[in-house]
Amino acid sequence: GESVGLHLPTLSVQEGDNSIINCAYSNSASDYFIWYKQESGKGPQFIIDIRSNMDKRQGQRVTVLLNKTVKHLSLQIAATQPGDSAVYFCAENEAGTALIFGKGTTLSVSS
Amino acid sequence: DTEVTQTPKHLVMGMTNKKSLKCEQHMGHRAMYWYKQKAKKPPELMFVYSYEKLSINESVPSRFSPECPNSSLLNLHLHALQPEDSALYLCASSRTVDTEAFFGQGTRLTVV
Repeated sequence: GESVGLHLPTLSVQEGDNSIINCAYSNSASDYFIWYKQESGKGPQFIIDIRSNMDKRQGQRVTVLLNKTVKHLSLQIAATQPGDSAVYFCAENEAGTALIFGKGTTLSVSS
Repeated sequence: DTEVTQTPKHLVMGMTNKKSLKCEQHMGHRAMYWYKQKAKKPPELMFVYSYEKLSINESVPSRFSPECPNSSLLNLHLHALQPEDSALYLCASSRTVDTEAFFGQGTRLTVV
């Protein structure tokens, strides 16, 4: 079936840099998207979400961008900190169904 | 309270055993989920309950049997599992199926 995928399996940045994690999705019927952070040995933690009637949404230090034309989602983390090191998943939801996760990107932040 | 509680945290079981995983939330959420996650892979959807009724079964083998006794509880009954079923089993809940899902810490299952 269709699924959400991420462009890069790993991303290494320096502390203080801005990080951009990308995700491509293929289900044009998906209308709700979430970014999750998963630390080792823990469950996924909600970061930010966006619905298909929006292009951009901002949270604290994080911004999600949605480009429906090319079916692309990105997560921007400002001033990345060592505590941001984790695996990041995008997940998509078609109305009436449940979240389907993409492959994940491992973010490593060095100080 | 934005917590989803899963018990046990770790479980080792033989292939002939019967065990149950438990999940509890008190956020008033009406959708609850089971996901399976293998090492270095994304969570894979197994089951969805909406208003205590099973709404999605992602072709999961019958050795996994979900149960939703009430709106706060979700169980996953395990019987005659295989070693390849060893994984992290994650429970999640959301207000409805189209809203943000909160995950528990998971049960690390090892089948020997």
